[in-house]
Formats: sequence, C-alpha cells, structure tokens
Amino acid sequence: GAGVSQSPSNKVTEKGKDVELRCDPISGHTALYWYRQSLGQGLEFLIYFQGNSAPDKSGLPSDRFSAERTGGSVSTLTIQRTQQEDSAVYLCASSLIPVAGELFFGEGSRLTVL
Amino acid sequence: AQRVTQPEKLLSVFKGAPVELKCNYSYSGSPELFWYVQYSRQRLQLLLRHISRESIKGFTADLNKGETSFHLKKPFAQEEDSAMYYCALSGRTGGSEKLVFGKGMKLTVNP
Repeated sequence: GAGVSQSPSNKVTEKGKDVELRCDPISGHTALYWYRQSLGQGLEFLIYFQGNSAPDKSGLPSDRFSAERTGGSVSTLTIQRTQQEDSAVYLCASSLIPVAGELFFGEGSRLTVL
Repeated sequence: AQRVTQPEKLLSVFKGAPVELKCNYSYSGSPELFWYVQYSRQRLQLLLRHISRESIKGFTADLNKGETSFHLKKPFAQEEDSAMYYCALSGRTGGSEKLVFGKGMKLTVNP
C-alpha cells in the first residue's frame, strides 16, 4: 500500500473486554513500531519488531499487552481485560531499515474503554 | 537511558514572530535527533533531522552536545506552522533501535 494502514480507526469497548489492533506497514519495511499517544503523555514507545522478532518490548505497560508480527508484515497489538487507563490512540510506524530514522506513521487506532 | 524533555507544552505567537521550541535530551552515547510534526487531522511526520543540517519549511535545529539540546527555530512563524511538535532521539541501546519521543509541544500561530 501507499502508507501504513491501521484498523480499526476507532474502537469503543467495555472495561474487561479484549481488543485487537492491526497494523499493515509499508511493503518492504523490516522495522515496525507501536506507540501509544495520550494527552499529556506524548508518544510512549511500546514495542519494536525487526522482521517477526521483537528485540525490544520494554515499553509494554503490563502483561495484558502483547503483540505479534507475522510474515514480516502485518502486526497485531492485543490488549486483554482492557482498563479505562488503556484509552488512547495507538500508533503504528514502519521504517525501511532497523536504524530508527524516518518512521512512517499510520493514522492510529483510537481506543476508548468505557 | 534515553530521555527527551520538551519543557513547554504550549506556545502561542502571532504571525511573523520568531519561535523557538526547546528540546533537551539525555543519552550516554552519540545521539541522533529529530523533530516530528503533526498537523491537525494528519499523520505524524518527520520535519527534520540533525544529520541533514537542512532547513525545512523555514525551520532549523542545531544539535548542541555541550548543552544536550536540539532546539527548533523559525525566524518568522506562519499560521500553517500551527501543529504539535515532537522532539525525538535515536540511540542504540541494548541492541534495540528505537525512537524515543518527548511529550510534545503545541504551537499556535495567530493571525
């Protein structure tokens, strides 16, 4: 595709439910990143993939958060037993090579936990 | 550890005024610094990076290793510069290549 694609663009869920957020990076980009954007907190790094492996998952806030990437392409971020504090915009980005330089961002998935 | 600090959350100026968006960083190695911008209802995108030493949309930023700063400057702000600006730091830590962002700063340029 022409750019990083994320789905859903908006998700409203009830506290305690599980959610899955999908990211389709730019074709050929080997590095993929997930960030969380919330008011007053800026962009918080969550996890980084190089190919299908995740060398750095240090930003995942709790064990309720997990992510995987398959085929060196699509990635899914899963949040189990969602809490209200999980409400935020989840941004995915990809880059051509794993040296973080220019990241190309998607439009984000806005998650609202009621 | 990598850390980026943007001490001001908001800046409001009039068109034609100079702007300076401050950014300080903490990193023990040799950093690469970037400014990203997010215009209203648009994706976050790269504005400039220190290694390029270029001016983009009239903006410049100089890396000052002594002061560990990478402030973004523009001599004459325009209304279309209104956006969220994020300073970011790239450094290889523990084998991970990642970009660490500051909390961002909202610039409003009034007519």
